[in-house]
Parts: sequence; C-alpha cells; structure tokens
Amino acid sequence: DAMVIQNPRYQVTQFGKPVTLSCSQTLNHNVMYWYQQKSSQAPKLLFHYYDKDFNNEADTPDNFQSRRPNTSFCFLDIRSPGLGDAAMYLCATSRDSGDSSYEQYFGPGTRLTVT
Amino acid sequence: GQNIDQPTEMTATEGAIVQINCTYQTSGFNGLFWYQQHAGEAPTFLSYNVLDGLEEKGRFSSFLSRSKGYSYLLLKELQMKDSASYLCAVRDSNYQLIWGAGTKLIIKP
Repeated sequence: DAMVIQNPRYQVTQFGKPVTLSCSQTLNHNVMYWYQQKSSQAPKLLFHYYDKDFNNEADTPDNFQSRRPNTSFCFLDIRSPGLGDAAMYLCATSRDSGDSSYEQYFGPGTRLTVT
Repeated sequence: GQNIDQPTEMTATEGAIVQINCTYQTSGFNGLFWYQQHAGEAPTFLSYNVLDGLEEKGRFSSFLSRSKGYSYLLLKELQMKDSASYLCAVRDSNYQLIWGAGTKLIIKP
C-alpha cells in the first residue's frame, strides 16, 4: 500500500543532543511537510518542500533544519533539542500545493521526548 | 492575523448525532478540510469543501458558508470509535493550511 512512513515512532534524546527524524513516502507526491504538534494544539508547520524547493516558515527556530535528498525521503534535524521541543513530529505529503483540493497524507508521527 | 476557532471539547452519546462547528478568519480562502485524529496518531482526511453547501460522505457530512466564514462537521449514528479529535483546516491565498486546535469528541455509551 502507498503510504507515508516515519521512523522511529518514539525517540528519546538528551537535552542538547542532536537528533534526526526520518520520513519516507511511496505516494510519489511532490510536496512534503514537517509539522510539530503539542498536546491539544494545532499542528504547526515547520517546513515544506515543493519538489526540491525548500520553504521555511518565518517562525521556525534555527535549531530545526531539514533535508530532502530525493522525492521519497525527508529528514528533520534538531541540532540542540530543548525541553520545549518535546512534541509529536508529523510528516505529511500532498500532490501539488497549487491545487487547493489535494489533501495532505500524514505519517504516523514520531513522538520526541527530551530528558 | 489568521484564526480558526473550534470548541475545545464536546460529548455525545453513542447512536446520536453531533455537529462540530468551525469559524475562520484567513487571508483568502482556497478550501476547507476536516481531519480526524485519534489520540497519539496522525490526522486522517475526512472531507473537503470549497463551494458553499453540504458534502455528504456516509455517516459524515461537512457544510460550508464562505460568506459567514463558517463550517460544520456532522457525524451521524455515532460509534465509540468516533471518539477522537476533529481538526478544521483552511487553505489560504498562499495555499498554506491554517489549522485549528481541534475539537475533542467524547462518545459515551
């Protein structure tokens, strides 16, 4: 089945220790997104890629970086995680950000704990 | 600023009908989405509205009034598995999705 896969599902890291979260997709969608979601809050968009074009949200901290080496894979790097970065990180894909009807498909998320 | 408002929590009874409202103020409008999110899981797509009116999909229906900046999600014949958060999201003039914080729906037997 075509899908969005995130690894790991649960990640524990220490304060200040770099961590990388990964996302892959078999949907062949050209747009990929990274969201941060804290409990009972709206998903917050961190970045999105339209093909290889990188789009950084204005309020995404510099501590967060992203890479998309090819269509299928996307990575989220947190250079120095703080306690406030503990959250669910959701990867999503869609076919084309220029067509308003295309919904986003989400991976299962990675729950990050910072100790 | 851009804003999506939904009730924080609602409670309903198994077998009943519930309506979850969403009001929005965004810079432009290019469609409204409803997503379902079970606790600890990713959101899954439920419905999309871009024109005024009602879209029906099985037990779920979604309504849109663009002039009022208003939508609702109607769930019929509620089942225990419908206990989840329901997120409203609007695509703005830049085709970015603006998300609401979600409405937690609790179903009681």
